[in-house]
Amino acid sequence: GEDVEQSLFLSVREGDSSVINCTYTDSSSTYLYWYKQEPGAGLQLLTYIFSNMDMKQDQRLTVLLNKKDKHLSLRIADTQTGDSAIYFCAEILYNFNKFYFGSGTKLNVKP
Amino acid sequence: DADVTQTPRNRITKTGKRIMLECSQTKGHDRMYWYRQDPGLGLRLIYYSFDVKDINKGEISDGYSVSRQAQAKFSLSLESAIPNQTALYFCATSDRVVGTNTGELFFGEGSRLTVL
Repeated sequence: GEDVEQSLFLSVREGDSSVINCTYTDSSSTYLYWYKQEPGAGLQLLTYIFSNMDMKQDQRLTVLLNKKDKHLSLRIADTQTGDSAIYFCAEILYNFNKFYFGSGTKLNVKP
Repeated sequence: DADVTQTPRNRITKTGKRIMLECSQTKGHDRMYWYRQDPGLGLRLIYYSFDVKDINKGEISDGYSVSRQAQAKFSLSLESAIPNQTALYFCATSDRVVGTNTGELFFGEGSRLTVL
């Protein structure tokens, strides 16, 4: 089956940049997504990138996609305490229309 | 009101009991999913349904069953609950990936189940 991998934890100081990384194995992805889960809540879509793009920027968020290395990253500029959450990388495969999620990276932002 | 509503939000039960988790949605989506979340394991797909007459097993369907009562309703049952089914369960919906639609998943708030 498809493998989507992320590191489990990341700790940064408020005001620094955070970079959360994700690797995947199937090259037939259509879209790749970043979801955010705040404590006690469901997942909400943070941003996404189409598989034929290399980069997408949305305010403090920058998504980079390296298709050759099958590597996806999410950069959060000027990280705030409110960014503390679990971030999930996910992909949807073109032929199967099913989602595959990484294990989630818990981001801890220290004041 | 939430687009995807799960009930109950919290449930404590005993080993061997039958449990049903319910999900309803107002998104008008054909596709509905049940996921289980365990710390460090991310989200694992239990069952999914692409329309009312289509039910498919996910990666961890053993010990679970589902019913798609209508386009808007998808319930998950544990016929005889066991302690390792203690987890946070999420229902989600999506539209097909077609045209400009990204196929984004919309999640409910989750149902926390504890099996003693």
